[in-house]
Amino acid sequence: DAGVTQSPTHLIKTRGQQVTLRCSPKSGHDTVSWYQQALGQGPQFIFQYYEEEERQRGNFPDRFSGHQFPNYSSELNVNALLLGDSALYLCASSSLNQNTEAFFGQGTRLTVV
Amino acid sequence: GDSVTQMEGPVTLSEEAFLTINCTYTATGYPSLFWYVQYPGEGLQLLLKATKADDKGSNKGFEATYRKETTSFHLEKGSVQVSDSAVYFCAPNQAGTALIFGKGTTLSVSS
Repeated sequence: DAGVTQSPTHLIKTRGQQVTLRCSPKSGHDTVSWYQQALGQGPQFIFQYYEEEERQRGNFPDRFSGHQFPNYSSELNVNALLLGDSALYLCASSSLNQNTEAFFGQGTRLTVV
Repeated sequence: GDSVTQMEGPVTLSEEAFLTINCTYTATGYPSLFWYVQYPGEGLQLLLKATKADDKGSNKGFEATYRKETTSFHLEKGSVQVSDSAVYFCAPNQAGTALIFGKGTTLSVSS
């Protein structure tokens, strides 16, 4: 079992650009949550997807959007990037019906210049 | 909404010292409680969990007991190692909702 996999591991973008981050959940999991972790801070919840729908959302602007595919993988899209969007983006998967704990990927380090 | 408060870090200890990292939470209902650990440059790993009052979670020598009366879930280890150096996050979680994290506590263990 590969666990939760995220891609890419690192990327650098310019202010105003758009970015897409990808996540494949752990086998058997149907729920994907995305978190933003700024340097020296704890992860902040962005949103959660289940059955291809956004189920819960944190306090993030509409520039942050997502998608979940039929195979449960997920994308996080950020438009009009700001310098403050520089962070580690973490994906976590779980099984909503089985109420399992969340497993995290290694994260994508986004740098906006 | 739910929230968590952890002791301020960094915590600096010598190898084989006793570790306590305090964690208190506020939540409606009865959440499950988790400790996650983050090693440098990595994502979060589940360290231990407890799902109901008085449950004790344990793993790799770490322990934490779910104290409903004091809404606490303090992390302890009797003898830390250099390899335990990491950032530790306490998180309450209501079933089906997102984990809520605090700022985390950085532990640095020297030999």
